[in-house]
This record gives sequence, C-alpha cells and structure tokens, in this order.
Amino acid sequence: TQLLEQSPQFLSIQEGENLTVYCNSSSVFSSLQWYRQEPGEGPVLLVTVVTGGEVKKLKRLTFQFGDARKDSSLHITAAQPGDTGLYLCAGAPPGNNRLAFGKGNQVVVIP
Amino acid sequence: NAGVTQTPKFRVLKTGQSMTLLCAQDMNHEYMYWYRQDPGMGLRLIHYSVGEGTTAKGEVPDGYNVSRLKKQNFLLGLESAAPSQTSVYFCASSYIGPFQPQHFGDGTRLSIL
Repeated sequence: TQLLEQSPQFLSIQEGENLTVYCNSSSVFSSLQWYRQEPGEGPVLLVTVVTGGEVKKLKRLTFQFGDARKDSSLHITAAQPGDTGLYLCAGAPPGNNRLAFGKGNQVVVIP
Repeated sequence: NAGVTQTPKFRVLKTGQSMTLLCAQDMNHEYMYWYRQDPGMGLRLIHYSVGEGTTAKGEVPDGYNVSRLKKQNFLLGLESAAPSQTSVYFCASSYIGPFQPQHFGDGTRLSIL
C-alpha cells in the first residue's frame, strides 16, 4: 500500500494554462516536502509545508498543506515549458525515521 | 558547489557480477540514503545511514549491502547482480533526519544483462 498517493499520474497541458496536482494520504504528517525531478537528474526540493492549512508560493507555484495535514496540493499558474518535470511529494509519518515518496505527478507543458 | 556526487553515471553488468556505487557529499550531512527509482514504482529506500559507521535497512534492502566508513561517503554494493536490480540509483543526504530537505545526486543508471 502506497503511503502517499499522487494524482493525476500524468498531465499534459498547453503553455499558459493552469494546473493542480494532488498528494493524499490516510496518515497525518508533521510536514510534507515537494520535489521536482527533471529528466536525467535527481529530485530537487521545492518547498516544505509544515502547518495545517499553510500556503506557500514559489513564483507561479502555490503549495497548500491540508488542514488535517494528510494531503497537499500544488497549483501552477500560467504553466511554462520549464515547469515540465516529475513532481514528487514526500513525508515522514510520526515515529518513522524514513521519508516516504509518492510515485509522482508527471507534468508536460507543451509550447 | 559539488553537493552530492555519484560515481559512475552509467554501468552495464552481466548477471552474477559485483560492483560498488560510490556516493560522496561535501555538505557535512549526517544522514545519507540510497534509493532506487523504477517506472511506476517511484523512489524506494534501499538502505540509509544516520551517521559515520552506522547503516540501516530501508524498504527494499535484499541483494544490497552498504558501508559508511567516512562521514562524507556512502557505498552501495551489489554482490551478485540480478536483472531485477536494473534501475536508476540515487544517493541523497540530509543535515539531520528525514524531516530535513534531502539533497540528491544525479543518479547512476545500472543495467544488468
């Protein structure tokens, strides 16, 4: 059973459109991290959300942590080809010394 | 600004051969991790280390061994490679514990024939 479920698995949109991807779990997390991975490279941390209901913005990317700290979303406004990549959410449930990753949201932005 | 460096970047092995993947970090991080990434499976933790001289099993440790003799290095060994170990292997490090941001290398692409 996957601890973190990400949806949709694959999303293809035109440049300039908006998109939202999701990271859901039945477990409560003290924090969730979002990474972006580009082809041939390792994941790079984008943001960490810590407080339930927290919203963080990184240029055109908006990250939200659910009130119950079981889920998170990533919204991209006016997507650019440079936003293409695999977006991974990750978290360590209480009492666990390991970070669990979701399978990722593959986003393709077509010029 | 080296960060996390993985060696080699690509390798092809025959079934039954052995090899060692090297990971080096220059950020003085305590924690280091080895993951494998397979299509449809996401990133899965193989082994990790919480400090020099320590190692622990992750989610998929079978067929792999690790060593952390020096704080900056984390080695992943395959004693007898199997086709099921064909994957992309990522090393990562973090300052303290899984709640801290993890810094990843660019991966080693390993094919077992």
